[in-house]
Amino acid sequence: EDKVVQSPLSLVVHEGDTVTLNCSYEVTNFRSLLWYKQEKKAPTFLFMLTSSGIEKKSGRLSSILDKKELFSILNITATQTGDSAVYLCAVDGNEKLTFGTGTRLTIIP
Amino acid sequence: DAMVIQNPRYQVTQFGKPVTLSCSQTLNHNVMYWYQQKSSQAPKLLFHYYDKDFNNEADTPDNFQSRRPNTSFCFLDIRSPGLGDAAMYLCATSRVLRNTEAFFGQGTRLTVV
Repeated sequence: EDKVVQSPLSLVVHEGDTVTLNCSYEVTNFRSLLWYKQEKKAPTFLFMLTSSGIEKKSGRLSSILDKKELFSILNITATQTGDSAVYLCAVDGNEKLTFGTGTRLTIIP
Repeated sequence: DAMVIQNPRYQVTQFGKPVTLSCSQTLNHNVMYWYQQKSSQAPKLLFHYYDKDFNNEADTPDNFQSRRPNTSFCFLDIRSPGLGDAAMYLCATSRVLRNTEAFFGQGTRLTVV
């Protein structure tokens, strides 16, 4: 059975701190790994990673994939209160997305 | 502009009373998915359509059905909702099944009373 595990489950930091969120997976027929940000509503897409070692970057957010060790990290630098959300990792394999349970990130002003 | 639209945003239904949730998309994507997300849990795939081909997940209860009358619309029917079916229901679309990100709607939060 495909599995996606995220850590930590929750994280509380002060505004301005840098955070690293982790995602490990066991998925057959791996195609891609995706990161989503979920606030009070539906997930919004952040990154899609398909190749090892190539960093994807969008503003203060960046992510990288290691297909040998089967994990990905999402970094957020200079965090802001608007970054408070649940961050979901999902892996595309076997013609479906398997989600992790997410990391709940809380930024304290 | 919203690309995947779910209606209603909030739905309250009585125990055992059939309910239908709707999803429409303007992306002309081939694939439409329905996920169930309970509090503090990962979204769980219920089923998906690739064009008109319906694919049910093995552990999706028979209580849950779906219809896709055309490319733009997809419905989730819950025949006899139980208290355990209270959840956020997310519709998503993707152009193809593989190697592409899914676009999510805003979700419908279902309450069963």
